[in-house]
Amino acid sequence: DAGITQSPRHKVTETGTPVTLRCHQTENHRYMYWYRQDPGHGLRLIHYSYGVKDTDKGEVSDGYSVSRSKTEDFLLTLESATSSQTSVYFCAIKGSNYGYTFGSGTRLTVV
Amino acid sequence: AQKITQTQPGMFVQEKEAVTLDCTYDTSDQSYGLFWYKQPSSGEMIFLIYQGSYDEQNATEGRYSLNFQKARKSANLVISASQLGDSAMYFCAMREGQGFSSGSARQLTFGSGTQLTVLP
Repeated sequence: DAGITQSPRHKVTETGTPVTLRCHQTENHRYMYWYRQDPGHGLRLIHYSYGVKDTDKGEVSDGYSVSRSKTEDFLLTLESATSSQTSVYFCAIKGSNYGYTFGSGTRLTVV
Repeated sequence: AQKITQTQPGMFVQEKEAVTLDCTYDTSDQSYGLFWYKQPSSGEMIFLIYQGSYDEQNATEGRYSLNFQKARKSANLVISASQLGDSAMYFCAMREGQGFSSGSARQLTFGSGTQLTVLP
């Protein structure tokens, strides 16, 4: 299995503050994804990356930006956190076959 | 229109019995893949089973099988001999298209999930 680590695991932040979540992988996979999970919605795609400095928007990208300066790191930034961004955030990678592997998730609370 | 529909928000099953979790999908692609993931209360996403649109046989992985009915666009998950540890949220997901290229990352689209509770 691909090594994929998300940090932090939990974060509480105040409305209006910037927040950055990190996803780190150890196996040089090209495709990485950020999802958010909310009750009743399953997981929804925020942004994805298909290589270093190559990123694109997903279904719910408003209020989020991403960066990928190295193959192994994919960062998700909330420029000015809002209460509607309280959620569980998952990073995922596309493995060498059809499989997708998910990180353990980051629980973000915006107060 | 939703691409993945899971119509059962919650299901109960008696331990050792079989249970079917429903999933229907919508796509115009001929090539696609269907996935089931399990999410226990600890929160991680655990891959269970995969079915490719061109696979002629239903996928099986241990106690999990995928009842794939292409014409009806359904991909139901069957869990045989339920165990207490099967209590979890289950997500159906789809990847559309084939191949991967710049700007076409073939992400997974998820349903809203089914919360399964196994009763002792």
